[in-house]
Amino acid sequence: LAKTTQPISMDSYEGQEVNITCSHNNIATNDYITWYQQFPSQGPRFIIQGYKTKVTNEVASLFIPADRKSSTLSLPRVSLSDTAVYYCLVGDASIKAAGNKLTFGGGTRVLVKP
Amino acid sequence: DAGVIQSPRHEVTEMGQEVTLRCKPISGHDYLFWYRQTMMRGLELLIYFNNNVPIDDSGMPEDRFSAKMPNASFSTLKIQPSEPRDSAVYFCASSLADNQETQYFGPGTRLLVL
Repeated sequence: LAKTTQPISMDSYEGQEVNITCSHNNIATNDYITWYQQFPSQGPRFIIQGYKTKVTNEVASLFIPADRKSSTLSLPRVSLSDTAVYYCLVGDASIKAAGNKLTFGGGTRVLVKP
Repeated sequence: DAGVIQSPRHEVTEMGQEVTLRCKPISGHDYLFWYRQTMMRGLELLIYFNNNVPIDDSGMPEDRFSAKMPNASFSTLKIQPSEPRDSAVYFCASSLADNQETQYFGPGTRLLVL
């Protein structure tokens, strides 16, 4: 099971770019890296998923170096509504294959200030 | 689409009582998941169903926990008897396919066992 390590919290200001790095030294060959966002009193929400290099969607970018031992979630020009907890998961893209290894750790609490 | 619906949103009960949590997945989603979130252990996958059939229940903590999915639009998670350490937020999620990208979480049920 690939364990992940990410900062407990980060502060930012509106309009800035937020980069959250997740370490996953024991990532397996068939593991994907997935990021979720969770607001208070809500369930997690899928943000982005990648295997290598760079993935971009309308919400965020995900940067994965060649050794895949870490990844960085980049949130461009954050707003107050981006204040949330962000989780990094490493495992099979298939929920069935990941099974009970689909465990969210402590996440990174991002606070966006005005 | 109303999204994943969970009830009740909050539940307070006494130790030893039976607790039943309910979930209505998004229509057309073939996968349904039950998760538990605590400060100590983060978000853990308890069990999931595919086409109403339980596939992996290895995350269920013990025999006091049981889950059923009698039809495609309804699932229950039951705890009998409940204990204070079961206090947590329980999330139900459903997915269109076997991948994290199509998984949507409900708002959760906050359970407090006194």
